[in-house]
Amino acid sequence: QLQLQESGPGLVKPSETLSLTCTVSGGFISSSSFYWGWVRQPPGKGLEWIGSISYSGNTYYNPSLKSRVTVSVVPSQNLFFLKLTSVTAADTAVYYCARHPVDMAARPYGWFDTWGQGTLVTVAS
Amino acid sequence: SYVLTQPPSVSVAPGKTARITCGGNNIGIKNVHWYQQKPGQAPVLVIYYDSDRPSGIPERFSGSNSGNTASLTIIRVEAGDEADYFCQVWDSSSGHVFGTGTKVTVL
Repeated sequence: QLQLQESGPGLVKPSETLSLTCTVSGGFISSSSFYWGWVRQPPGKGLEWIGSISYSGNTYYNPSLKSRVTVSVVPSQNLFFLKLTSVTAADTAVYYCARHPVDMAARPYGWFDTWGQGTLVTVAS
Repeated sequence: SYVLTQPPSVSVAPGKTARITCGGNNIGIKNVHWYQQKPGQAPVLVIYYDSDRPSGIPERFSGSNSGNTASLTIIRVEAGDEADYFCQVWDSSSGHVFGTGTKVTVL
């Protein structure tokens, strides 16, 4: 059974870089059938997609965050990563990693079918 | 940017039917997906491609999509259906977009 697990610091100082790792188990990142993404949720608020990556390193990002976001992958270790630079209090959220299948045209435009449990990251000095 | 609007809350008595709407410009030409999220838990996919159910999701959950509104319908509502529900689409300009979310309360 596929499982995703987020890990990383729970506290980040303003203006610094938030870095998270997603460990995939029970399956392999190296599949052309899926993309791997990050979604966040500020406390008490809705969901916001951050960015996604394929096993081969193709990325696409939320336009509103694109200038600060990097998503990367190490298929051999079944890991993918999130970096968000110049964080502020507005970046405080539960961060989820999730898998999403590609559609019949191999485009990553679909749903998120498997999620990690999420990790709370607080931005504060 | 593309915006998906949901009612903040829906209240329903046990055994009755809950309908949650998701409004967006010409959403009927997009594929809509729905998630259920219980407190302290990650979202769970309940409907994809407008009306398909993943394995393990009860037949009580169904979806539709037309015009400017998509809907998630839950029939014979149970206490365990109490949760937040989010719709989601792909937009060519905005990427993956989630709705504002609807809290379903079972009376």
